[in-house]
Amino acid sequence: SYELTQPPSVPVALGQTARITCGGNNIGDKNVHWYQQKPGQAPVLIIYRDSDRPSGIPERFSGSNSGNTATLTISRAQAGDEADYYCQVWDSRAVVFGGGTKLTVL
Amino acid sequence: QVQLVQSGAEVKKPGASVKVSCKVSGYTFTNYDINWVRQTTGQGLEWMGWVTPNNGDTGYAPKFQGRVTMTRNTSTSTAYMELFTLTSEDTAVYYCARRSGSFWYDPWGQGTLVIVSS
Repeated sequence: SYELTQPPSVPVALGQTARITCGGNNIGDKNVHWYQQKPGQAPVLIIYRDSDRPSGIPERFSGSNSGNTATLTISRAQAGDEADYYCQVWDSRAVVFGGGTKLTVL
Repeated sequence: QVQLVQSGAEVKKPGASVKVSCKVSGYTFTNYDINWVRQTTGQGLEWMGWVTPNNGDTGYAPKFQGRVTMTRNTSTSTAYMELFTLTSEDTAVYYCARRSGSFWYDPWGQGTLVIVSS
């Protein structure tokens, strides 16, 4: 079965840029979606189809996908961006989530 | 606005079953599949399957095949997920979510905590 690999944690200094990766075999051939989940809350879609943003999601959030790695980039990180982030794809009639990355804003 | 509102928390004994509901509003229920995803304490997200409200078609993750049933009631715009033969490993928060396009989910229900304990 298809697997997605994310780093368990990513630190970022306040106001700096964070990059969260999502690795998978030829993931560049798939549509990757990203979710933000804060403690005690449901996940929220922040990027779909690699790089599209739903309405209401700040432009500070962007995505890219090529080769074996998809990347979520968070510019000008804010304290409120502290959360778990999950990547997700559809593969062979199954939905696959990455293991999640905890973003810590220092 | 689009909303998915789930039923309340449940406590079940091992071997029992649980049925979680997901009532939608703000859009035409039959236009979008509803998927179910669970999250065990402190762990990641695990996809369980989907139901197509328009015709009742379902698809289940292999891990849950034979132990889960997903249904819908179009007259009340409500989707259901029933999980059977519960064990302590089924203790988790269960989410419903509306599927769009190439399987992305937006929005999600608020989650339903299911605790399995003797």
